[in-house]
Amino acid sequence: KQEVTQIPAALSVPEGENLVLNCSFTDSAIYNLQWFRQDPGKGLTSLLLIQSSQREQTSGRLNASLDKSSGRSTLYIAASQPGDSATYLCAVGGSNYKLTFGKGTLLTVNP
Amino acid sequence: EAQVTQNPRYLITVTGKKLTVTCSQNMNHEYMSWYRQDPGLGLRQIYYSMNVEVTDKGDVPEGYKVSRKEKRNFPLILESPSPNQTSLYFCASSFTKGGGYGYTFGSGTRLTVV
Repeated sequence: KQEVTQIPAALSVPEGENLVLNCSFTDSAIYNLQWFRQDPGKGLTSLLLIQSSQREQTSGRLNASLDKSSGRSTLYIAASQPGDSATYLCAVGGSNYKLTFGKGTLLTVNP
Repeated sequence: EAQVTQNPRYLITVTGKKLTVTCSQNMNHEYMSWYRQDPGLGLRQIYYSMNVEVTDKGDVPEGYKVSRKEKRNFPLILESPSPNQTSLYFCASSFTKGGGYGYTFGSGTRLTVV
C-alpha cells in the first residue's frame, strides 16, 4: 500500500527566503506526482504535475523534482511571499488513477 | 472555463436524513473520484469511476453510494448520514488517455451531520 510522507509538517519563514518542501513515497511504481496548494477551508489548486518519466517541472517561482528510484520529490519555492502562505500537498498517482496524498506542509511566510 | 462544480458548498443535516452531493465536470473526463478530508488523516478516496456505469470502492467507502449515469456527473449519496461523516468532501476528475493524467478538483463541500 502506497504511503506518502511530507516533511516538515509546518514551516515558518521570513519573506524573500528560498525554501524546500519534501515528499517521500514508499512504492516507486507511480504514474505521476502532483503538488497542490490548499488555502484554509478551500479547494485544491494544482501547482505542478510531474509524469513518471520526467525529472522536474517548473512554473514561475516553483520547481518540483522527482526521483522515482529513491521515492522522493521536492518542491522548491524561490523568493517566498506572504501570498504563498498555504498548505502544500503532495499526491502520488498510482494504478486505477488513484491519488495517494501526504498530510501536507503548512507554510507561513512572514512579512 | 474548465472546472469541476460541486453543490452545495456547505450543508448541515441531521443523522439519518438522506442527502446527495452533486459533482459535475465540463472537460469530458472519463475518470471521476470522491475524497474526504479530515484533520490528521489527510485526503482519503471514497469511490471512483473509470467511465459511465463503471464505479469502484476507494479506501473508505462505508456509508456512501455513487452512480455514474452520465459522463459529466458523479453524485455522492449518503443514505443514512452519521456524525462520523462530518467532513470536507472533494470531487475530482481526470483524463485517462495517453498514460499521463492530472487532476482537477472541485471547491469542496463542507458537511456537518448533527
